[in-house]
Amino acid sequence: DSGVTQTPKHLITATGQRVTLRCSPRSGDLSVYWYQQSLDQGLQFLIQYYNGEERAKGNILERFSAQQFPDLHSELNLSSLELGDSALYFCASSVPGTSGSGEQFFGPGTRLTVL
Amino acid sequence: AQSVTQLGSHVSVSEGALVLLRCNYSSSVPPYLFWYVQYPNQGLQLLLKYTSAATLVKGINGFEAEFKKSETSFHLTKPSAHMSDAAEYFCAVSNKAAGNKLTFGGGTRVLVKP
Repeated sequence: DSGVTQTPKHLITATGQRVTLRCSPRSGDLSVYWYQQSLDQGLQFLIQYYNGEERAKGNILERFSAQQFPDLHSELNLSSLELGDSALYFCASSVPGTSGSGEQFFGPGTRLTVL
Repeated sequence: AQSVTQLGSHVSVSEGALVLLRCNYSSSVPPYLFWYVQYPNQGLQLLLKYTSAATLVKGINGFEAEFKKSETSFHLTKPSAHMSDAAEYFCAVSNKAAGNKLTFGGGTRVLVKP
């Protein structure tokens, strides 16, 4: 158990819909990262938040957005869903930046299926 | 910019044989390097990491990896494969300048034959 929790575990929805994925980082971790794992694209970094502020962006679509709340949990919002958005979405957290090791702890993921 | 290449998307080994998974990286600044394992229907678990200390890194479950700067490689080995090693393995690179975001290789799926 990494200490990172993600809900829901599975999500099935239809094209055009909007969903919200939730992540709670390990206690004390200030950084939250979101990754997408799909068969055709592999594991891709989407976005990072640090202590409530967006820190880095990767290959995140404009239809997708995220935020980190004062209690440090994060939500990834996916809208106008397309079939190609079906994937496993991971959240990871890391120790505060001063540690420097870059090690990230991954949650179990949310499997999104768009029908 | 940073990138990772894993040679071989599938590797088949016999139980008790050497496991060797290849990883080459590219990074414009000193990198942090990681190997993660993913078992079916599970998340990613850290096997080991290189963060500029010893170049030979020992991890969990008998795995180790050697950082070779001249070859830009970080290959993963285990002397004797066990059936429980069947999983997908991902090499990843990050660095402080990139905010420690991970860039992953394409993954290598390991099959262990009895």
